[in-house]
Amino acid sequence: DVVLTQTPVAQPVTLGDQASISCRSSQSLVHSNGNTYLEWYLQKPGQSPQLLIYKVSNRFSGVPDRFIGSGSGSDFTLKISRVEPEDLGVYYCFQATHDPNTFGAGTKLELK
Amino acid sequence: QIQLVQSGPELKKPGESVKISCKASGYTFTDYAMHWVKQAPGKGLKWMGWINTYTGKPTYADDFKGRFVFSLEASASTANLQISNLKNEDTATYFCARGRSLLDYWGQGVMVTVSS
Repeated sequence: DVVLTQTPVAQPVTLGDQASISCRSSQSLVHSNGNTYLEWYLQKPGQSPQLLIYKVSNRFSGVPDRFIGSGSGSDFTLKISRVEPEDLGVYYCFQATHDPNTFGAGTKLELK
Repeated sequence: QIQLVQSGPELKKPGESVKISCKASGYTFTDYAMHWVKQAPGKGLKWMGWINTYTGKPTYADDFKGRFVFSLEASASTANLQISNLKNEDTATYFCARGRSLLDYWGQGVMVTVSS
């Protein structure tokens, strides 16, 4: 199975700061069709996860442009510029290239 | 608007079975697969598998083969998850999520508690 390793486990931030989360895969996430199915989800406390980014760098409908996904192959990053209170929670990367699909272990974005 | 509404919380004893539902609205049910995701208390997300809502064919991750069954009531735009022979480690919140290589809409989750 593909293992997604997220770092850091927790990211303490001050509101207005930039935050960066890494997601490294145990194998390339490039599908045979040329797409890379790497997504980012945010789970706020007590809520269901919500899709932020799909296919590495595409923002889902309604997601602010301060969320930027990047990367290729097996190395991916989510950057959040100017962190706002509603950005706090646990971020998960997820790959849908290989079966079984897998989630990273999560990164908690929290206030310093 | 697109919604996935799941059934209510369940309290079961070890060895019992549970069936939880996920009713979709606001889109054509058979146009998107339905995925299932487990979240144990205080833990991360674990992908359980998915069901093709057009053909009814389920696909299970290895850890969820045997006691877990995905099914459909397509006429009611509903996907179901049944867990048999419940164990303490099945205590978790179970989410359904609409998917076609990305999980764009999620249900609110169903808390299943297994306790003697």
